[in-house]
This record gives sequence, C-alpha cells and structure tokens, in this order.
Amino acid sequence: QLQLQESGPGLAKPSETLSLTCIVSGGSISNSAYHWGWIRQPPGKGLEWIGTIYYSGSTYYNPSLKSRVTVSVDTSKNQFSLNLNSVTAADTAVYYCARIGGSYFPDYWGQGTLVTVSS
Amino acid sequence: QSALTQPASVSGSPGQSITISCTGTSSDVGGYNFVSWYQHHPGKAPKLMIYDVTKRPSGVSNRFSGSKSGNTASLTISGLQAEDGADYYCCSYAGSGTFVVFGGGTKLTVL
Repeated sequence: QLQLQESGPGLAKPSETLSLTCIVSGGSISNSAYHWGWIRQPPGKGLEWIGTIYYSGSTYYNPSLKSRVTVSVDTSKNQFSLNLNSVTAADTAVYYCARIGGSYFPDYWGQGTLVTVSS
Repeated sequence: QSALTQPASVSGSPGQSITISCTGTSSDVGGYNFVSWYQHHPGKAPKLMIYDVTKRPSGVSNRFSGSKSGNTASLTISGLQAEDGADYYCCSYAGSGTFVVFGGGTKLTVL
C-alpha cells in the first residue's frame, strides 16, 4: 500500500523559507507512470495546487507561486521536497503531498502537515 | 478566488440524491476529460471519489457518479447516507502551463 508522509517544521518566520519533505513508502518515486505534487489548504479555504515534479526532475508550478517555489526529488531516498521562500501569513496552511495519477489527478495523499507563518 | 466554481454548500436528506456542480472554462474542465472529485473530512487526507470525469476507483461506492457537459462537471451522490457529509472538491487538468486547478469546495450536509 502506497503511503506518503510529510515532514518538516510546523512554524516558519515571515520572509524566511518554508521547507517540507514527503517520504514515499510502498512504491517507487521513479515509477514513470506518475508525477508527485504539493497541495495546500489555508485555514477556512479550499485546496490550492502548488507544484508537481516528475522523477526525472521536470517541474510544473502554480503560476501565482512560481517565483517563490522550488520542488525537488531525491530518487535515492524515495522522497521529494518543497521550498517556498519569502513566506507571509498568507502561506499559513495545511500542506499535503500527493501522487499524481496518469491523467493528472492526485490519487494518494499524505495526512497533511500544518505550517504556521508567524514571528 | 478558486479557478473552478463550486456552490459553497448543498444539503439533502438520507436516501435522497444531490448534485454538486463544478464550472470552469474551455482551458480546463471543457478542454480535457481529466476531472476528478475528492471527499474531504476535516483533519483527514482527501479521498479520491471520481477520476477522468466518470471513473470510480476500486472501493468507492457506486452511489457516487460523475459527468460533464461543456465547461461544467458534476458529482452526483444517490441514496445519501450520514457518512457522506463532508467537503467535496473538484479538480481539473488545465494544460502544461497551469497543470492542475481545484474548485473552492462544497460542504455537503446530510440533514
């Protein structure tokens, strides 16, 4: 059974960088059939796609976040990561990592991790 | 503001059917048959209910069905049950530039 688990600090300071890692178990991140992505949900709001990566390193980012986002993959550790820089309170959210199926739908999700941006 | 438009809330009584709409544009919902739907209980991971507009993953009840007409996709839940109460989100592929967009979510209340 595929499992994804987000890890990283639950608190980030304004103007600094938010960094999260998604550890994938029960399947290979190098499976060419899938992409891997980050999605977030601010408190009281809907889901927002952040970015997606393929095992080869090809990336796709939400245009509204593109200037601040980097998604990377480490196939040797079967994990992928999110860096979001210059964060503000508006970046406070539950961050989910997910496997993206062949026709671009997230099919397996992590449990999510709350990141609060506050000084 | 979300890229896809969903009603904020819908409600129904046990046994009834409800439909949740998801309206986009020809660049997302209308342009591809890659619409998916998620059930989300607060504090839990979203659960995939429908993908590729009409397909159900293994294990999802056949009370859940999806459809699309033009730029609007729909999720129908028949024979409502108390445990169906949750937030529902639609999602669509939007091309190689934008990749994926979500709806704002619909809160389903089972009366």
